[in-house]
Amino acid sequence: GENVEQHPSTLSVQEGDSAVIKCTYSDSASNYFPWYKQELGKRPQLIIDIRSNVGEKKDQRIAVTLNKTAKHFSLHITETQPEDSAVYFCAASKNDYKLSFGAGTTVTVRA
Amino acid sequence: DTEVTQTPKHLVMGMTNKKSLKCEQHMGHRAMYWYKQKAKKPPELMFVYSYEKLSINESVPSRFSPECPNSSLLNLHLHALQPEDSALYLCASSQDRDYGYTFGSGTRLTVV
Repeated sequence: GENVEQHPSTLSVQEGDSAVIKCTYSDSASNYFPWYKQELGKRPQLIIDIRSNVGEKKDQRIAVTLNKTAKHFSLHITETQPEDSAVYFCAASKNDYKLSFGAGTTVTVRA
Repeated sequence: DTEVTQTPKHLVMGMTNKKSLKCEQHMGHRAMYWYKQKAKKPPELMFVYSYEKLSINESVPSRFSPECPNSSLLNLHLHALQPEDSALYLCASSQDRDYGYTFGSGTRLTVV
């Protein structure tokens, strides 16, 4: 099955700085790549997603890039704020109902 | 309505009890999911219903039994659980395959 690796496992950034989380996937047939944010004690929430026919997507302070050749995709958060502190999960799927999740990155934004 | 509603929010059950978790969505999503999440871990897929039919069972023990009464409802029947089954159980729905999930708030289950 699909294997998604996510790095780093923890990330501490100063408020206002940028944060980058990287994921790699193993199955070249994967074509859908969502990112979820999970605050402590809350549900995971979809924050952005990208499909394999697109190289980059932005939504305000969040962007995702996809490199199909290298089989990796990244989440970029600019101008980080304390409310960005959460666990972030990347995921991948290949035109089926199975999402393979990365292990998660705990992001802490220091005020 | 853009939410997935799960009940109950918390559940404590003994190893001989039978209980059910409930999930409801009114977004017209055609796929519904049960996930299990342990602390500090990603969600683990248990079951997928697509178009009201069970399409994926990730080799889940038979003490967990899913049911999809209609396109808006999803149940998870629990029987003879073990303490290691204690976890957060998340329901999710999506428009179809390869669409983002909307997760419910989850049921925090403790088996004693």
